[in-house]
Amino acid sequence: KAGVTQTPRYLIKTRGQQVTLSCSPISGHRSVSWYQQTPGQGLQFLFEYFSETQRNKGNFPGRFSGRQFSNSRSEMNVSTLELGDSALYLCASSTSENGELFFGEGSRLTVL
Amino acid sequence: AQSVSQHNHHVILSEAASLELGCNYSYGGTVNLFWYVQYPGQHLQLLLKYFSGDPLVKGIKGFEAEFIKSKFSFNLRKPSVQWSDTAEYFCAVNAPYGGSQGNLIFGKGTKLSVKP
Repeated sequence: KAGVTQTPRYLIKTRGQQVTLSCSPISGHRSVSWYQQTPGQGLQFLFEYFSETQRNKGNFPGRFSGRQFSNSRSEMNVSTLELGDSALYLCASSTSENGELFFGEGSRLTVL
Repeated sequence: AQSVSQHNHHVILSEAASLELGCNYSYGGTVNLFWYVQYPGQHLQLLLKYFSGDPLVKGIKGFEAEFIKSKFSFNLRKPSVQWSDTAEYFCAVNAPYGGSQGNLIFGKGTKLSVKP
């Protein structure tokens, strides 16, 4: 079974630009969550989607948004990039109600 | 708000030493508890989990963790570490009621370095 796939793996943007990251969950998983990982703040929850609906949202500004498609694939978008948005963005998929998440390798975003 | 505290930022051990990594959480209700591990250059993967039942849970690679409800703790242990255990370890909690399944609260992580 293929794991969670995230694209692109690495990208460099400049301040003010916007970025879209993609995530393909494990087949059969309908829940997709996004996390931001930084050395200072650790892993922070961004949002969760289930059946194309945002089910939960973390404490991030409105510049961070996401969506989920009917095939469970998900995208997240960050607009008006700031230097502090440089991070590893992790996607995780799940099928159970117990919070066991399967993570992708992440998309490393560098904002210059 | 829920929080997860991991007591040690960086632990350095020699091979064959015993390991215990501390984890405390703040949520007072029913919780699901997890330890995830991130090996160098690899993605986060589940080490073990506790949902209910026996508070001593066993995971992969000889790791185990004990849930002590009265202490809000879920410490990770391994009797004898190996060089290949060098990684970053994250404790996480999920509140099944009031939260959602994809919303885990993670601790800041503990880096374990095992000297050969």
